[in-house]
Amino acid sequence: SQQGEEDPQALSIQEGENATMNCSYKTSINNLQWYRQNSGRGLVHLILIRSNEREKHSGRLRVTLDTSKKSSSLLITASRAADTASYFCATDPLINTGGFKTIFGAGTRLFVKA
Amino acid sequence: EAGVVQSPRYKIIEKKQPVAFWCNPISGHNTLYWYRQNLGQGPELLIRYENEEAVDDSQLPKDRFSAERLKGVDSTLKIQPAELGDSAVYLCASSLRQAQETQYFGPGTRLLVL
Repeated sequence: SQQGEEDPQALSIQEGENATMNCSYKTSINNLQWYRQNSGRGLVHLILIRSNEREKHSGRLRVTLDTSKKSSSLLITASRAADTASYFCATDPLINTGGFKTIFGAGTRLFVKA
Repeated sequence: EAGVVQSPRYKIIEKKQPVAFWCNPISGHNTLYWYRQNLGQGPELLIRYENEEAVDDSQLPKDRFSAERLKGVDSTLKIQPAELGDSAVYLCASSLRQAQETQYFGPGTRLLVL
């Protein structure tokens, strides 16, 4: 079953605009991560935010986490054509064996038009 | 520093044939993951290793899938016999220690079962 679900499923914007993607999850987490995947390539880690953090920045990326709503958002400012990719959130909820399992959402497909 | 290496990059086989994928993680990374990614979906965890021990293989279809990580370094994922529904991209990732750490992904092996 999906733990993280991204919204929207697809997003098309003009270069220079901001892009916002959202992720909702179901169970308590210790951290949440965002990854990017270019077509036909492996995933690249973008940013990790821990459950006791509310906001984190990395270059043109801004991630927020609201544990009360079980949601996170990824904002890409001043988008570029090279930002065209799929973006996934990943969580590590506790599982019943006491360990952790990384669960990815289905992703948001971002297309930035030059 | 070399990233996660996977081979082959592409594989086309007929159903009922066996297939194997190989992964070399980043040097010093103790945790290794195998994921399966279907078209338009996020990666789904198949198995996670801590050194040479499989600590989470709950999503691995054990009737036809097997994996090993000898000496806690390289890993092999095998499917025997392959079915049409196994067509997907198989991703390997590694992280420094345990789950909840940043994962570094290889480029994946794209499998097509005819």
